[in-house]
Amino acid sequence: AQTVTQSQPEMSVQEAETVTLSCTYDTSESDYYLFWYKQPPSRQMILVIRQEAYKQQNATENRFSVNFQKAAKSFSLKISDSQLGDAAMYFCAYRSGTASKLTFGTGTRLQVTL
Amino acid sequence: DAMVIQNPRYQVTQFGKPVTLSCSQTLNHNVMYWYQQKSSQAPKLLFHYYDKDFNNEADTPDNFQSRRPNTSFCFLDIRSPGLGDAAMYLCATSRFRETGYTDTQYFGPGTRLTVL
Repeated sequence: AQTVTQSQPEMSVQEAETVTLSCTYDTSESDYYLFWYKQPPSRQMILVIRQEAYKQQNATENRFSVNFQKAAKSFSLKISDSQLGDAAMYFCAYRSGTASKLTFGTGTRLQVTL
Repeated sequence: DAMVIQNPRYQVTQFGKPVTLSCSQTLNHNVMYWYQQKSSQAPKLLFHYYDKDFNNEADTPDNFQSRRPNTSFCFLDIRSPGLGDAAMYLCATSRFRETGYTDTQYFGPGTRLTVL
């Protein structure tokens, strides 16, 4: 069974600074997808960024980028130029290639301070 | 805007009193999911529908049932809620393609269930 581990329950970053959230996963499959979802307080979960395992290039979406290390089974999220609106719970998630099910990590709560 | 809608946003029920949570979508996605998320925990998949095909997770209690009368709507029924069922219930949708791959999941805002 696949597992997803987020070892940082909470992180804090100052506005305009950069922060990296860690995620590791365990799988024996070669075809899979990795995701970072953001869940603001009392608001719905939204997709931040997605990475296909077969792609070597790290995914980037504006201020959000990932460091995907397939051999190490590591998938970290970097948030550049942090903004107050980035404060949220961030979940790392794994999905097998042809499956529908998402397996989530336990989440990292990100605080953004002035 | 195309979206996933959940009603109600907050639901209070009594111990043992059946409750139904609703999810609708305008994305025309063929897969719909129900997740349970307890406080400060990761969402846990209860079951999902691929079209009308129901897929239950092995560890989902029998107390939880679901119905999908059409593409747009999906319901979560909790037959006899216990105190341990108090949680946020998230509905999500995605498109499963003929290639065998599933697109990104889109989530609704959730229904927070309180059991008294």
